[in-house]
Amino acid sequence: GNSVTQMEGPVTLSEEAFLTINCTYTATGYPSLFWYVQYPGEGLQLLLKATKADDKGSNKGFEATYRKETTSFHLEKGSVQVSDSAVYFCALSATSGGSYIPTFGRGTSLIVHP
Amino acid sequence: DTGVSQNPRHKITKRGQNVTFRCDPISEHNRLYWYRQTLGQGPEFLTYFQNEAQLEKSRLLSDRFSAERPKGSFSTLEIQRTEQGDSAMYLCASSLDRGRSGANVLTFGAGSRLTVL
Repeated sequence: GNSVTQMEGPVTLSEEAFLTINCTYTATGYPSLFWYVQYPGEGLQLLLKATKADDKGSNKGFEATYRKETTSFHLEKGSVQVSDSAVYFCALSATSGGSYIPTFGRGTSLIVHP
Repeated sequence: DTGVSQNPRHKITKRGQNVTFRCDPISEHNRLYWYRQTLGQGPEFLTYFQNEAQLEKSRLLSDRFSAERPKGSFSTLEIQRTEQGDSAMYLCASSLDRGRSGANVLTFGAGSRLTVL
């Protein structure tokens, strides 16, 4: 079946540090890949997405590249801010018995210190 | 549009009682999803609707769980005879299916937290 594996958190960084959160996936067919972010007390919201191999999704300084050969979609940001502290979820949407059911990883908590 | 709205935000109940959660999606969205999230885990798929039709249910969804989406608008998720293991955050999300279902972006509500004593 379809699945997403994320690195365990929490990831703790100082402001302006470089961020990588690893995500790998298993899926049938050609999935679309997503990163969602959940700020404290809020619902999940889309951060970025990529729908085919070698696509790069980007938003708010975050980037992720769809790597089919390594089945990965790692999230990166060059310089994190305290306001980036949140839980980040990698997700895929791939056909499963004919339906596209979005599947999520377990989430990685990011804590950024001033 | 105010986004996806879920009510109640928090429900505390005793084991064996029935509970119902309501989700109001974004009005033009034709797909509606229910997920369950426990502490330290990602959202787990429960069921989804295309308009008023319930198209898929997870094996996680026992007979005690039922969901409806009358007239393709709001949806309700009912849990009968609650158990302590049902304690979780229940998330609702909606999307607009433009025919490229795999690329659909979900808009989530803030969730309804269930605590079963």
